Amino acid sequence: KAGVTQTPRYLIKTRGQQVTLSCSPISGHRSVSWYQQTPGQGLQFLFEYFSETQRNKGNFPGRFSGRQFSNSRSEMNVSTLELGDSALYLCASSLRGTSGEPYYEQYFGPGTRLTVT
Amino acid sequence: AQSVSQHNHHVILSEAASLELGCNYSYGGTVNLFWYVQYPGQHLQLLLKYFSGDPLVKGIKGFEAEFIKSKFSFNLRKPSVQWSDTAEYFCALASGGSYIPTFGRGTSLIVHP
Repeated sequence: KAGVTQTPRYLIKTRGQQVTLSCSPISGHRSVSWYQQTPGQGLQFLFEYFSETQRNKGNFPGRFSGRQFSNSRSEMNVSTLELGDSALYLCASSLRGTSGEPYYEQYFGPGTRLTVT
Repeated sequence: AQSVSQHNHHVILSEAASLELGCNYSYGGTVNLFWYVQYPGQHLQLLLKYFSGDPLVKGIKGFEAEFIKSKFSFNLRKPSVQWSDTAEYFCALASGGSYIPTFGRGTSLIVHP
């Protein structure tokens, strides 16, 4: 089975711009979560999508948003970029039961390294 | 709210040394605990997990972890490390109260050949 893929792998943007990151989950996985990883804060949860609906949300400003498509692929958007948004953005996919009950094990992609200058 | 603490931020060992990385969590109910590893330039991957049953859990690459409920701990161990174990290690907790795992800040392990 192919793993979680993320595109692009590297991005350099300027303050004030906006960016869209993409994530394709493992085939059959319907839950996609996004994390921000920085040296000082570790992994911080952004949001989770399941069945095209945001199910959980972390403590990030509204500039961070996401969506999920019917094929479970997900995108994350950051508007009005700030220097502090420079980070590795990780996507993780997992199974959910037929009734939406969670499975706790997550499978991570390689991440997108975003640098804001 | 649940939280995870990893006390050792940086660990430097020589090959063949024994390893123990500390992980303590804060949550009063049933927990699911994980250790993930991130090798240089690679993605996070699961080392081992504890859901229930035997508190001593064995994972890949010779790693094991022990869940001690009374101490709220889930320490990672390996009897003899190799240079290839150089990586960042993350402890994570997921619980019935919050499906989303909470990660510790990670421990950077450097193993000298």
